[in-house]
Amino acid sequence: EVQLAESGGGLVQPGRSLRLACAAAGFTFDDYAMHWVRQIPGQGLEWVSSITWNGGSVAYADSVKGRFTISRDNAKNSLYLQMNSLRVEDTALYYCGRDPGVNFYYYMDVWGRGTSVTVSS
Amino acid sequence: QSALTQPASVSGSPGQSITISCTGTSSDLGGYDYLSWYQQHPGKAPKLIVFEVSNRPSGISNRFSGSRSGNTASLTISGLQAEDEADYFCSSFSTSTTLVLFGGGTRVTVL
Repeated sequence: EVQLAESGGGLVQPGRSLRLACAAAGFTFDDYAMHWVRQIPGQGLEWVSSITWNGGSVAYADSVKGRFTISRDNAKNSLYLQMNSLRVEDTALYYCGRDPGVNFYYYMDVWGRGTSVTVSS
Repeated sequence: QSALTQPASVSGSPGQSITISCTGTSSDLGGYDYLSWYQQHPGKAPKLIVFEVSNRPSGISNRFSGSRSGNTASLTISGLQAEDEADYFCSSFSTSTTLVLFGGGTRVTVL
């Protein structure tokens, strides 16, 4: 079964760091680009970051550029999001999503269940 | 870059058809076919129901159909069923610094 499972969320103080992980199973991970999308509960979806199959191309939302870093380890079938200098407004449920292409088709055909990040003092 | 514009809510009776609009610009959904729609039930992850304007993934009912005219995309749900009650989000590639745009979401209520 094709699955994505996020982990690493939690409660963190403003200015601190957190690293999210997304474990892929049931498909050939390095055949696909990947995305991070976040959602404040009860609100809409916000694209955060994307990475091609080999990490050769990455992109970030302006709201996280310079603070977040997306990466992947194809040998471990895993996607990561290193989040530094966290702000209260980064509080959200973070989803990883599979793009159907090795590069970008700009949509997500498989989603994880999300991991919750709360930034608060 | 602002999010794509969707109505906050749409409602219909069982068996009816409803249409959700999603308005963007020529720099996003009006200029490229990377337009998709997602369904999200409360407490669940989003689920892809339409990709590349009008294509359905395997397993998605043909009651869901997507289209586009100019800078406005539409998702039509025909034969509305109770299980269709959910939030629906449109999404598009964008040439702005925001690579992927989402609409604000539309809550569909089955009366």
